[in-house]
Amino acid sequence: GAVVSQHPSRVICKSGTSVKIECRSLDFQATTMFWYRQFPKQSLMLMATSNEGSKATYEQGVEKDKFLINHASLTLSTLTVTSAHPEDSSFYICSARGGLAGGSSYNEQFFGPGTRLTVL
Amino acid sequence: AQSVSQHNHHVILSEAASLELGCNYSYGGTVNLFWYVQYPGQHLQLLLKYFSGDPLVKGIKGFEAEFIKSKFSFNLRKPSVQWSDTAEYFCAVNAEGGADGLTFGKGTHLIIQP
Repeated sequence: GAVVSQHPSRVICKSGTSVKIECRSLDFQATTMFWYRQFPKQSLMLMATSNEGSKATYEQGVEKDKFLINHASLTLSTLTVTSAHPEDSSFYICSARGGLAGGSSYNEQFFGPGTRLTVL
Repeated sequence: AQSVSQHNHHVILSEAASLELGCNYSYGGTVNLFWYVQYPGQHLQLLLKYFSGDPLVKGIKGFEAEFIKSKFSFNLRKPSVQWSDTAEYFCAVNAEGGADGLTFGKGTHLIIQP
């Protein structure tokens, strides 16, 4: 159980275009989803937190107009990188939190496999 | 704000050697603690986690970690490493309750030589 998928796994786009990345919780309802970015040979950095049905909360330094997050249902969150530029090339990883409220699994985040974005 | 410090950025060991990777965190309240592993070309996998209770937690693949509250530490250990343990290891923390995103350490690149 607790599987999180991401689509696409890899995407290459031209500078100036927008790219949408989907994150789905396959077998549980995710009350909260998180988006992280990982640059090559570096750690994961939290970009934003999204709760179903409400606006995402962005970390300091993350442009909310550039990284649009939508969490329309308990199983789907999307990250849209608008007007992508080469410096946006990175590995984008989502995680989802859910499970039984009050249970131990509720404290845990389940990670997706990531999406490799390359902007030419 | 939380922060996580992993002291060893690169570790090289021979097979069968014992492993200890250091992790210290900074946070004023109660925390959840995690160790994740990322094998080359693969996504993050949870090795083990601590929420409360016994400070010595056992995870998958023979790994364990000990939470020492007085030292704000959560070091990862394995008594005998294998070549297949070559990977990147990340320590992470979030506030009790789990509502927040995780703060990760910079990671430790572990290389096991056969």
